[in-house]
Amino acid sequence: DTGVSQDPRHKITKRGQNVTFRCDPISEHNRLYWYRQTLGQGPEFLTYFQNEAQLEKSRLLSDRFSAERPKGSFSTLEIQRTEQGDSAMYLCASSRLQGNGYTFGSGTRLTVV
Amino acid sequence: KNEVEQSPQNLTAQEGEFITINCSYSVGISALHWLQQHPGGGIVSLFMLSSGKKKHGRLIATINIQEKHSSLHITASHPRDSAVYICAVNANTGNQFYFGTGTSLTVIP
Repeated sequence: DTGVSQDPRHKITKRGQNVTFRCDPISEHNRLYWYRQTLGQGPEFLTYFQNEAQLEKSRLLSDRFSAERPKGSFSTLEIQRTEQGDSAMYLCASSRLQGNGYTFGSGTRLTVV
Repeated sequence: KNEVEQSPQNLTAQEGEFITINCSYSVGISALHWLQQHPGGGIVSLFMLSSGKKKHGRLIATINIQEKHSSLHITASHPRDSAVYICAVNANTGNQFYFGTGTSLTVIP
């Protein structure tokens, strides 16, 4: 297990299409976080899971966004009816315990054209 | 107002220079993190601090809990240190990070 994996690395989609990203955390990490980063900004929190339970969601996570972690392992982030404003880097991170060290994935860069 | 403020936003240094990046935060925290982000977007965790000072190679991170301030120092900077350095804190209420906007460092040979 070499770290947090995100797939795909890059995604270009047309406005209005649906996209889904995947994150595979470090296997023994029970917490998984999704962040969005736009150009020139620090990452913004979207949501986080503890095992399969989604415990917190940001107001940034509109109705078009949904995240799942069905078996408490990998997670998916789906964006429906994409808009140009959704263009960003989507980062996933995992941790074992709060404040006990986080590992980030390399991110999925989404471009909506 | 952001919960985490970093300075400077951009920094250019000559190879070999000593570099300092500052981070101030306004919330109570359980830990502070320094992260490094390369142009491809991947993020690497450099340090996690809750008190005092940590050193890893040419990198040193300090935190003053009373003043709500942390610094990241790079000694003998090298062009491969060029990256965006992000300060992030775990608030002690809730389970998320607050991030600074990052400091873009360019080290010129």
